[in-house]
Amino acid sequence: DTAVSQTPKYLVTQMGNDKSIKCEQNLGHDTMYWYKQDSKKFLKIMFSYNNKELIINETVPNRFSPKSPDKAHLNLHINSLELGDSAVYFCASSSVTGSYYEQYFGPGTRLTVT
Amino acid sequence: GDSVTQMEGPVTLSEEAFLTINCTYTATGYPSLFWYVQYPGEGLQLLLKATKADDKGSNKGFEATYRKETTSFHLEKGSVQVSDSAVYFCALYNTDKLIFGTGTRLQVFP
Repeated sequence: DTAVSQTPKYLVTQMGNDKSIKCEQNLGHDTMYWYKQDSKKFLKIMFSYNNKELIINETVPNRFSPKSPDKAHLNLHINSLELGDSAVYFCASSSVTGSYYEQYFGPGTRLTVT
Repeated sequence: GDSVTQMEGPVTLSEEAFLTINCTYTATGYPSLFWYVQYPGEGLQLLLKATKADDKGSNKGFEATYRKETTSFHLEKGSVQVSDSAVYFCALYNTDKLIFGTGTRLQVFP
């Protein structure tokens, strides 16, 4: 059973398009995250949701909009894609009853914008 | 703000060699410290952690000790295997955020 899953695994699209990445966790966690990993492997948090509420919103262009329909899902919608959005996007989750820092990561979605 | 600095890679070793990957941090207060590992094509996995000064985290033969006086959390393993080839990330948790270093790629050859 996959603990944190993401779809799609690969996404190739053209500049200007709108795309979504989906994330689901079956760990019963109450906090979910989106991270962006650039071509140099640098990993940076973008958003964090706790019980469907946004709690961390780093300096991310407003073309990126996270949505959490329930505690087990956190989707990322990106409007008007740009070349610089090409990266690997990781979803993660953690539990307040466990440790916020013990985050479980999904396998990543490699987004390529051409 | 808080930050983590790791040695640049790649680190290239022969099997059974000793591994050290340096990590230092800057943080206010008392952060928790971690090493995460990313195998090719996969997401990050927590390797080990230490939540207070002088704690030693260990897992799968890897160790790291939380040194407050030198603000360091260096990763060590006595005898690496080819299967340890991966990217290793040092991280700290403080003020509700995990902050990662830039990662160090380890390549182990038979």
